Amino acid sequence: EVQLLESGGGLVPPGGSLGLSCTASGFTFSSYTMTWVRQAPGKGLEWVSSLSGSGSTRYYADSVKGRFTISRDNSKSTLYLQMNSLRVEDSAVYYCAKEVAATFTFDYWGQGILVTVSS
Amino acid sequence: QSALTQPPSVSGSPGQSVTISCTGTSSDVGGYAYVSWYQQHPGKAPKLIIFDVSKRPSGVPDRFSGSKSGNTASLTISGLQAEHEADYYCSSYAGSYTYFFGTGTKVTVL
Repeated sequence: EVQLLESGGGLVPPGGSLGLSCTASGFTFSSYTMTWVRQAPGKGLEWVSSLSGSGSTRYYADSVKGRFTISRDNSKSTLYLQMNSLRVEDSAVYYCAKEVAATFTFDYWGQGILVTVSS
Repeated sequence: QSALTQPPSVSGSPGQSVTISCTGTSSDVGGYAYVSWYQQHPGKAPKLIIFDVSKRPSGVPDRFSGSKSGNTASLTISGLQAEHEADYYCSSYAGSYTYFFGTGTKVTVL
């Protein structure tokens, strides 16, 4: 059974930093592109960043480019998101998601972790 | 970058069919066959129900169907049931490894 479990969320002041983790199980982690998607309270979904299975290719939404860094440790089946220079508008539930190979589709999602940026 | 346009809400009685539209541009919905749909119940993670415009993952009933015409994709739920009351989001690949999600549609079963 595929499972994705996010951790690391919490309250951080504007301008601060926070790191998220997503631990995966139930599939060959290194074979799949992994993605972070966020959802502000009461709002819709927003793609944040994706990372290829090998970790060699990264993609970011314009809204987080230069501030967020996606990475992975395939030996630990874990995806990371380092968030710096956080803004109030970065407050959201952050989901990690597994991509279906070659379809640009997310077939499994974690339960989400809340990040609140506030003074 | 901007979200795909969906109606804020649709409703129907049990047993009826409802259709949700998802309008983008020729650079996303109209340019690729990579439209997917997700169902999200309150407080839960999204669940994939349609991918590649019209394909259903294993375990998703055939009362969910997808289609696309030009820059607009559609999701139809046939035989509406109480359990279908949820938020629905479309998503499209937009080239250069970027994705857009739709604005979301709340389905209400009357």
